Amino acid sequence: EAGVTQFPSHSVIEKGQTVTLRCDPISGHDNLYWYRRVMGKEIKFLLHFVKESKQDESGMPNNRFLAERTGGTYSTLKVQPAELEDSGVYFCASSQVGTGELFFGEGSRLTVL
Amino acid sequence: GEDVEQSLFLSVREGDSSVINCTYTDSSSTYLYWYKQEPGAGLQLLTYIFSNMDMKQDQRLTVLLNKKDKHLSLRIADTQTGDSAIYFCAHEWGSSNTGKLIFGQGTTLQVKP
Repeated sequence: EAGVTQFPSHSVIEKGQTVTLRCDPISGHDNLYWYRRVMGKEIKFLLHFVKESKQDESGMPNNRFLAERTGGTYSTLKVQPAELEDSGVYFCASSQVGTGELFFGEGSRLTVL
Repeated sequence: GEDVEQSLFLSVREGDSSVINCTYTDSSSTYLYWYKQEPGAGLQLLTYIFSNMDMKQDQRLTVLLNKKDKHLSLRIADTQTGDSAIYFCAHEWGSSNTGKLIFGQGTTLQVKP
């Protein structure tokens, strides 16, 4: 069974440009989460989907970040326009409803120059 | 508060025991976790402990929880070079099973042959 997959694995863009990160959760997992680790600091929660609905988006830094999960399957996280401080590794995770174990992807590294 | 603190780096010799420490501020969490991130890989759930337990042992891993001091530790016996990775301490935000985790900064474990 495929795990959580993320694309791209690494993206390098210039300040002001747009980047879209994609996450494919494990099939059948209704919970989908985005997390971010900036510059070797702690991993921080961004938001949580249950199917296509945003359950909790309290960790989204500002309105330059837009997450979607149309159809309740894969999710995208768009950063527009990107700023230098957005550089970091963006992790996606998924889980089944009612279970506590999160399965993480390998992360998408974003470098904003 | 929701801070989780870890030391950033630990170096041990192969065959020795490793002890990675973590302190946290939120005492309402039901579960506390240890995640492992190997180079180029995603986060892998290593082990977890219920908040009403003091100790959990799983093969070479021993987790100790001191709720009074809000201190969690992970002991790896007979540390191997394959244990070299970043270890993240985490707990759930609040007491519900939301999947919203609060992570520490991660401890880089270096195992010397």
